[in-house]
Amino acid sequence: QITLKESGPTLVKPTQTLTLTCTLSGLSLSTSGVGVGWVRQPPGKALEWLAHIYWDDDKSYSPSLKSRLTITRDTSKKQVVLRMTNMDPVDTATYFCVRTSYYDLGNSCFDYWGQGTLVTVSS
Amino acid sequence: QSALTQPASVSGYPGQSITISCTGTSSDVGGHNYVSWYQQHPGKAPQLMIYDVTNRPSGVSNRFSGSKSGNTASLTISGLQAEDETDYYCSSYMSSGTWVFGGGTKLTVL
Repeated sequence: QITLKESGPTLVKPTQTLTLTCTLSGLSLSTSGVGVGWVRQPPGKALEWLAHIYWDDDKSYSPSLKSRLTITRDTSKKQVVLRMTNMDPVDTATYFCVRTSYYDLGNSCFDYWGQGTLVTVSS
Repeated sequence: QSALTQPASVSGYPGQSITISCTGTSSDVGGHNYVSWYQQHPGKAPQLMIYDVTNRPSGVSNRFSGSKSGNTASLTISGLQAEDETDYYCSSYMSSGTWVFGGGTKLTVL
């Protein structure tokens, strides 16, 4: 059974750096074709894609947030980490971890989602 | 990249069919067949309903179908049921290796 679980702080102050961890179960980021990334959703608003990292360490970022984002992986720990710098109250959102798999449904869709973690940015 | 355009809300009666549109550009929706649709119930994570414009993942009801014409993709739900009342999002994967979502549509079953 494949599961993704997000963890990290629930509250960060403006200008701080947010670090979120996605822990994988039932899948490995060293498996060919697998990708893991992040999508966020401000309260009452739409989904927004942030970043993605693949089994071969290839990475992609949202053009509008690229300067603030860093995505990394630790295959031994089965974790994907997202760092977002210079947090602002507008970054308050639920952050979801997502999976793609070229050999399952292809690279274009997110077939597994974590439950999400709410991050509030406030002083 | 700009968000894809979806109607804010649609509604229909039980048993009817409804269609949700998702309009983009030739750089995203119109440029390839990598449009997907997600259903999201309140307080829950989104669930994949349609991928690559027309494909249904295993376990998704065949009442859900997808199509595309030019720069507009569509999700059709037939035989509308009360449990279908929730939010729906479209998404397009682009050749740059990035994704863009639509603004979301709230479906009301009357």
